[in-house]
Amino acid sequence: ETGVTQSPTHLIKTRGQQVTLRCSSQSGHNTVSWYQQALGQGPQFIFQYYREEENGRGNFPPRFSGLQFPNYSSELNVNALELDDSALYLCASSLGGDRDHEQYFGPGTRLTVT
Amino acid sequence: GENVEQHPSTLSVQEGDSAVIKCTYSDSASNYFPWYKQELGKGPQLIIDIRSNVGEKKDQRIAVTLNKTAKHFSLHITETQPEDSAVYFCAASIYQFYFGTGTSLTVIP
Repeated sequence: ETGVTQSPTHLIKTRGQQVTLRCSSQSGHNTVSWYQQALGQGPQFIFQYYREEENGRGNFPPRFSGLQFPNYSSELNVNALELDDSALYLCASSLGGDRDHEQYFGPGTRLTVT
Repeated sequence: GENVEQHPSTLSVQEGDSAVIKCTYSDSASNYFPWYKQELGKGPQLIIDIRSNVGEKKDQRIAVTLNKTAKHFSLHITETQPEDSAVYFCAASIYQFYFGTGTSLTVIP
């Protein structure tokens, strides 16, 4: 078990609504990355936060946004939800802003958009 | 961007046999290659990783090999056990992690 926690575990939203997902990083880690995992697929990188600044972004539209707080916990916000946003959202914490550091994943938040 | 392909998509082995999962990547600048195990309802768990300056790494029953020239890397699990049954993902890292599409491993008792 990693020390990465996510909340909530499951969430059901309606198309067009907004959602906020939360992640607490492992103790001592200053970097959080967010991923979207569709059913039967590998995780896809959304963005990374390092010391409260966005430090890289994948191919996701601006309605996906995030924050990192001074304690290095993080939020993922998704506006104007679409049916295709239904997925498992994973956060991973690591030490350092480089991409070649070990990343440890939380259990994920299962988002269903109806 | 980077493209990671993973094979096979499903793999069944008898308990005690070995399992091999292979991945290829496209960008020669990728320098870090982790492997994750994901059990049903859980997040991916890092099981082993290798960096581009190393050709092979072993941790008990698990080993990973990297061929930079051919741009492929493999996960080897020996003496498989039923608890090894899960979905395994490879990834290559250059500026971000790119994951393969996963291999569902079933170990038959």
